[in-house]
Amino acid sequence: TQLLEQSPQFLSIQEGENLTVYCNSSSVFSSLQWYRQEPGEGPVLLVTVVTGGEVKKLKRLTFQFGDARKDSSLHITAAQPGDTGLYLCAGGGGSQNSGGSNYKLTFGKGTLLTVNP
Amino acid sequence: KAGVTQTPRYLIKTRGQQVTLSCSPISGHRSVSWYQQTPGQGLQFLFEYFSETQRNKGNFPGRFSGRQFSNSRSEMNVSTLELGDSALYLCASSLGRGQYFGPGTRLTVT
Repeated sequence: TQLLEQSPQFLSIQEGENLTVYCNSSSVFSSLQWYRQEPGEGPVLLVTVVTGGEVKKLKRLTFQFGDARKDSSLHITAAQPGDTGLYLCAGGGGSQNSGGSNYKLTFGKGTLLTVNP
Repeated sequence: KAGVTQTPRYLIKTRGQQVTLSCSPISGHRSVSWYQQTPGQGLQFLFEYFSETQRNKGNFPGRFSGRQFSNSRSEMNVSTLELGDSALYLCASSLGRGQYFGPGTRLTVT
């Protein structure tokens, strides 16, 4: 069974601070995706990373996929109240005996971020 | 392009009843996946349909079933509802890597 562990589970910071959230697994994934979910809504795709060591930037957000494709991190610079939400990582694909598929995502339980003004 | 739509948005049912949820994917997306989200377990994969065929399945009992129509719209059905089935049911459509989620159907079983 593939598992993704996210840390921290909760994070409350002041506007302007930087933060990093982590997503770790003992399994290899062919792709890793990050989503943000706001209350009462479905998750919104932020980024997909597919290559070990890959770094992607989206404005103030920086995503990194570990060299071994087992872990990922999301760094937010100068957080704003609009960044508040549940950040979810999801792994797609995986080893053949895990039954992985890019269409059958394994989600972490998320990091609930609150940015206070 | 219109996003993924799900109906109804909210539903209240009693134990033992059955329920059908509907999902319309983004135009052109042929893969539709369903997930259950609860506070304790997070997002868990139910199943995925592609061209009217179930292609992937999660670890849920047979009370959970789904289907996909020729226009890629999908429905999921839960029979003999239990209290533990109370959750947000999310549908997502995809062309490949990266899934696009609808707003979900909030199901409450009393």
